[in-house]
Amino acid sequence: AQSVAQPEDQVNVAEGNPLTVKCTYSVSGNPYLFWYVQYPNRGLQFLLKYITGDNLVKGSYGFEAEFNKSQTSFHLKKPSALVSDSALYFCAVRDIRNNRLAFGKGNQVVVIP
Amino acid sequence: GAVVSQHPSRVICKSGTSVKIECRSLDFQATTMFWYRQFPKKSLMLMATSNEGSKATYEQGVEKDKFLINHASLTLSTLTVTSAHPEDSSFYICSARDQSRGAGATGELFFGEGSRLTVL
Repeated sequence: AQSVAQPEDQVNVAEGNPLTVKCTYSVSGNPYLFWYVQYPNRGLQFLLKYITGDNLVKGSYGFEAEFNKSQTSFHLKKPSALVSDSALYFCAVRDIRNNRLAFGKGNQVVVIP
Repeated sequence: GAVVSQHPSRVICKSGTSVKIECRSLDFQATTMFWYRQFPKKSLMLMATSNEGSKATYEQGVEKDKFLINHASLTLSTLTVTSAHPEDSSFYICSARDQSRGAGATGELFFGEGSRLTVL
């Protein structure tokens, strides 16, 4: 089955420090991977995706993610976190059987001023 | 990116009444839309896949008579919660795929802003 795992429920980071949100995947075939962010009482916003090409993908709001095939990971990173980055982050992978996205459970990120 | 509009953003209703939530793709056509329910502990549950011009496909455990889905046009899908009860209170989110952007091949989804349903 196509799936992603987000091992941490919550990530706390001080403002200005690097932020990492972890995601590992399990797929058959080539993975199409995505990160979305959700602010309170809002829908999900697309941050970035990996389809093919460079392993380092740059996205919105200064976020980037590194595709690591050997570790089956697609961790989301930001060099310097802002308080406004406090939100819920979802990793997702395309399910090749039905072309749907399979979402992780979500990670709450709290950036402390 | 493509824009998906969802309405209403918040609705409060009495137990036993029905509530309709609309999901519109504003700048693209969507043959397929998805409806999710988000529970308080964050997780997204896919409820159903809405297919333009045909019946929706419901996930296991989702009552099709309870959650009526209609996808009458390429830009509009509606979710009607019939005879709502307090346990139906939740955050409902729709999403759509823009086939013209190649999202059909990659699976990328664009989401509405969500609808908070409170049943008294």
